[in-house]
Amino acid sequence: AQSVAQPEDQVNVAEGNPLTVKCTYSVSGNPYLFWYVQYPNRGLQFLLKYITGDNLVKGSYGFEAEFNKSQTSFHLKKPSALVSDSALYFCAVRERGQGGKLIFGQGTELSVKP
Amino acid sequence: NAGVTQTPKFQVLKTGQSMTLQCAQDMNHEYMSWYRQDPGMGLRLIHYSVGAGITDQGEVPNGYNVSRSTTEDFPLRLLSAAPSQTSVYFCASSDLQGTYGYTFGSGTRLTVV
Repeated sequence: AQSVAQPEDQVNVAEGNPLTVKCTYSVSGNPYLFWYVQYPNRGLQFLLKYITGDNLVKGSYGFEAEFNKSQTSFHLKKPSALVSDSALYFCAVRERGQGGKLIFGQGTELSVKP
Repeated sequence: NAGVTQTPKFQVLKTGQSMTLQCAQDMNHEYMSWYRQDPGMGLRLIHYSVGAGITDQGEVPNGYNVSRSTTEDFPLRLLSAAPSQTSVYFCASSDLQGTYGYTFGSGTRLTVV
């Protein structure tokens, strides 16, 4: 069965510093991988996805993620964090093929301090 | 605006009451799904559908029913609400391949007392 793990419940970063939010996954075959962000009392917003091709994926708001097949990881990164990046981040995985289920990790709370 | 529309946004139920959470999308997406979000547990898949007339269970289906009579609509029914169903519910849709990402509704905050 497919699963996603986000090992850190919370990540604290100073503004201007680089940030990393970790994600590992388990799925049969090659996965589709996604990152979503949720601001307080809001729905989920799509950040980026890995489908195929280059292992480094660039997304919205300056975020990027690196797909590592050997380590089954898809860590979210940003070179310079902003206070406005503070939010809840979710990693999700989907099996390839039609109609695959999208399964989420438990989420990581990112806090960026001035 | 194209997207996923959920109604109502807020609801308070008494234990044992029934209700239906509505979800509609206007993007002609074949795939639709329902999630519940609870603190520290992320989003857990309740039910999903790959097209009209086809539904399947997700990770936490007990206590919930769904049907898919049209491509556009995917209602979630609580037949006898329990306090454990207090949660925020999200509906999401995508094309069958999921390669363009998933579009989420704004959520329904349900409290069962």
